[in-house]
Amino acid sequence: KAGVTQTPRYLIKTRGQQVTLSCSPISGHRSVSWYQQTPGQGLQFLFEYFSETQRNKGNFPGRFSGRQFSNSRSEMNVSTLELGDSALYLCASSPGTGEGQPQHFGDGTRLSIL
Amino acid sequence: TQLLEQSPQFLSIQEGENLTVYCNSSSVFSSLQWYRQEPGEGPVLLVTVVTGGEVKKLKRLTFQFGDARKDSSLHITAAQPGDTGLYLCAASGGSYIPTFGRGTSLIVHP
Repeated sequence: KAGVTQTPRYLIKTRGQQVTLSCSPISGHRSVSWYQQTPGQGLQFLFEYFSETQRNKGNFPGRFSGRQFSNSRSEMNVSTLELGDSALYLCASSPGTGEGQPQHFGDGTRLSIL
Repeated sequence: TQLLEQSPQFLSIQEGENLTVYCNSSSVFSSLQWYRQEPGEGPVLLVTVVTGGEVKKLKRLTFQFGDARKDSSLHITAAQPGDTGLYLCAASGGSYIPTFGRGTSLIVHP
């Protein structure tokens, strides 16, 4: 069974640009969550999508947005990139939504802002 | 904001040693999860604990959920180099906004 796939694995952008990251969940999983991981802040929740609807949102500015398609694949967009957006962005899928759902993570997209 | 404090932050030991890492909070959680993350990879779920006082074993790893469901520990017996990684605890209580601790970085030297 294929795991969670994230593309691209590495990305280099400059300040002010925008970026789109992609996530394909495990087959049959309908929930996709996005996280930002940095050495200083650790793993922080961005948002969760279930059945193409945003169900939960973390404490990030509106520059961070996402969407989910009917096949459960998800994309995350960051506009007007800042140096502080350099991080590992992780996507996780789970069969359903709700508290305590086990998260199956992809290997992430490493985003570097110059 | 629920905070999960993990300790120690770093741990460097020799193969064969035992170790315990901790995950503490002032909040009560309905469940808590432990993950291991290896360099260049995403976190992998190890276990979910739900009941206060619960103990779960996964080979050489023993997980315990505190009686009050505010803390948890992970004990590794006879650590091996393959145990090297970042150990993360995660929980959510009330609203589903999962909170992760900052992790314990473990290095096991052969």
